Amino acid sequence: GENVEQHPSTLSVQEGDSAVIKCTYSDSASNYFPWYKQELGKGPQLIIDIRSNVGEKKDQRIAVTLNKTAKHFSLHITETQPEDSAVYFCAATLPNAGNMLTFGGGTRLMVKP
Amino acid sequence: DAGVTQSPTHLIKTRGQQVTLRCSPKSGHDTVSWYQQALGQGPQFIFQYYEEEERQRGNFPDRFSGHQFPNYSSELNVNALLLGDSALYLCASSSGQRHYEQYFGPGTRLTVT
Repeated sequence: GENVEQHPSTLSVQEGDSAVIKCTYSDSASNYFPWYKQELGKGPQLIIDIRSNVGEKKDQRIAVTLNKTAKHFSLHITETQPEDSAVYFCAATLPNAGNMLTFGGGTRLMVKP
Repeated sequence: DAGVTQSPTHLIKTRGQQVTLRCSPKSGHDTVSWYQQALGQGPQFIFQYYEEEERQRGNFPDRFSGHQFPNYSSELNVNALLLGDSALYLCASSSGQRHYEQYFGPGTRLTVT
């Protein structure tokens, strides 16, 4: 089955700086890669996703890049704000697995004002 | 537009007991997936229901079972509870047309003592 690894496990940045979270996946057949933000006491919130036929996708301050050859994808947050502080999860899914998501271990992002 | 709702919010059970958790999907969604999230870890896929049938199952024992009703709501049942079943149980819904995009509820925190 699929295996997803996520780094770093914790990330502390100053408000206004950029943050980058990286994930690698094991199965080259994976074709969908979402990112979720989970705040304390809440369920994961889908913030951006990318499919395997696209190399990059951007939504305001958030962007995701995908390198299929290296089997890794990254989340980029620019101009970080204190409200960006949360745990971020990457995930991947295989085309023959319905929409079963395999998650990474999570990154705790702390944005210091 | 109501998002995914889950009940109850918190639950405390004793080892060996049985528990039922409930989920109502986002309006317009017909597919429900259940995930288990242990403290400090990413969610792990339990199973998925579509058209009232279990379509996909993760690596969980038969003590975990589910059901989907004609109105697309779903239940997760866990029998013979173990201490290790203590976790946040998340329900995610999606629609047939955009089945990759999964939206999570706030979860049910289960504590087994």
